[in-house]
Amino acid sequence: RKEVEQDPGPFNVPEGATVAFNCTYSNSASQSFFWYRQDCRKEPKLLMSVYSSGNEDGRFTAQLNRASQYISLLIRDSKLSDSATYLCVVQAEYGNKLVFGAGTILRVKS
Amino acid sequence: GAVVSQHPSWVICKSGTSVKIECRSLDFQATTMFWYRQFPKQSLMLMATSNEGSKATYEQGVEKDKFLINHASLTLSTLTVTSAHPEDSSFYICSARGRGFRDTQYFGPGTRLTVL
Repeated sequence: RKEVEQDPGPFNVPEGATVAFNCTYSNSASQSFFWYRQDCRKEPKLLMSVYSSGNEDGRFTAQLNRASQYISLLIRDSKLSDSATYLCVVQAEYGNKLVFGAGTILRVKS
Repeated sequence: GAVVSQHPSWVICKSGTSVKIECRSLDFQATTMFWYRQFPKQSLMLMATSNEGSKATYEQGVEKDKFLINHASLTLSTLTVTSAHPEDSSFYICSARGRGFRDTQYFGPGTRLTVL
């Protein structure tokens, strides 16, 4: 079983749509959680950290469910520029290595 | 934000040659650098972690004699793919973390290696 699992998609949505991605992780000792965005042939860029209480940054909302070992990302009012691969990332403990999911592809169309 | 550069951005080489990739932190001192590899449609996989002045720690399944890592200064780490073969063709990405940066790793733009 992979340490971090994501639905690869692609998710094809129209502009303005709301879309949600899910991610599950296997290591119950994981401490830190992130969503990264990766554009084609580019490096990943940090989108947001995910906190136990849930957090929001503009159109993006991240949620963490430790009991179910499940992380989600909600994007509201999708823009064409949101088209990318979204990577779920987990870290076992501070300073430890980042474990990346394979990513979920989002395509926003006009 | 912090900036990390990689050089070259892409390289094409013949099978059997060695390729060196540089990773530099441009505006901070990187106490730890990480090297990742990403095959098409797959996740980034950590290859090794290097701390300045000490030997790199390699992940299981990564050959240390094939992927030589040197982290000689606080701003530079190099990855040398020795005797590269077509199966080594991949996207190699470094990241760096400095003192006081907590969990934040800053990624370089990546190096696309194609071995013919």
